[in-house]
Amino acid sequence: RKEVEQDPGPFNVPEGATVAFNCTYSNSASQSFFWYRQDCRKEPKLLMSVYSSGNEDGRFTAQLNRASQYISLLIRDSKLSDSATYLCVVTNAGNMLTFGGGTRLMVKP
Amino acid sequence: GAVVSQHPSRVICKSGTSVKIECRSLDFQATTMFWYRQFPKQSLMLMATSNEGSKATYEQGVEKDKFLINHASLTLSTLTVTSAHPEDSSFYICSAWGPMTSGYEQYFGPGTRLTVT
Repeated sequence: RKEVEQDPGPFNVPEGATVAFNCTYSNSASQSFFWYRQDCRKEPKLLMSVYSSGNEDGRFTAQLNRASQYISLLIRDSKLSDSATYLCVVTNAGNMLTFGGGTRLMVKP
Repeated sequence: GAVVSQHPSRVICKSGTSVKIECRSLDFQATTMFWYRQFPKQSLMLMATSNEGSKATYEQGVEKDKFLINHASLTLSTLTVTSAHPEDSSFYICSAWGPMTSGYEQYFGPGTRLTVT
């Protein structure tokens, strides 16, 4: 079983749609959680950290459920520019990042 | 925000040659640098963790004699792919981790695309 699992997609949605991605992690000792965005042939960029209380940044909302070892990302009012691969990332001891396989989002006009 | 640079951004080399990739933190001191490899349509896989002044820690399955890592200063780490083969063709990304005003942050370099012919 992979340490961080994501549905690879692709998720094809129209502009303006709301889309949600899920991620599960296997290590109950994982300490920090993030969503990264990666555009084609580019490096990943931090989108947002994920906190137990949930957090929101504009159109993006992230949730963490430690009991179920589950992380989610919700994107509202999708834009064409949101098309990318979204990587779920967790850290364990030593601040090492473990990446999920990524979920590909394609927003269509 | 913090900036991490990588050089070169793209390199094509012949099979059997060695290639050196540099990773620099430009405006902060990187306590630790990480090297990742990403094959097409796959996620990033951690290759090794590098702390300044000490030997790198390699992940299982990564040959330390083939992928030489040197972290000579708090702002520079290098990855040398020795005797490169076509199967080493990949996107190599470094990240640097160090104290920032808001705490400890990790930032990624722009990546180096290696093609071995």
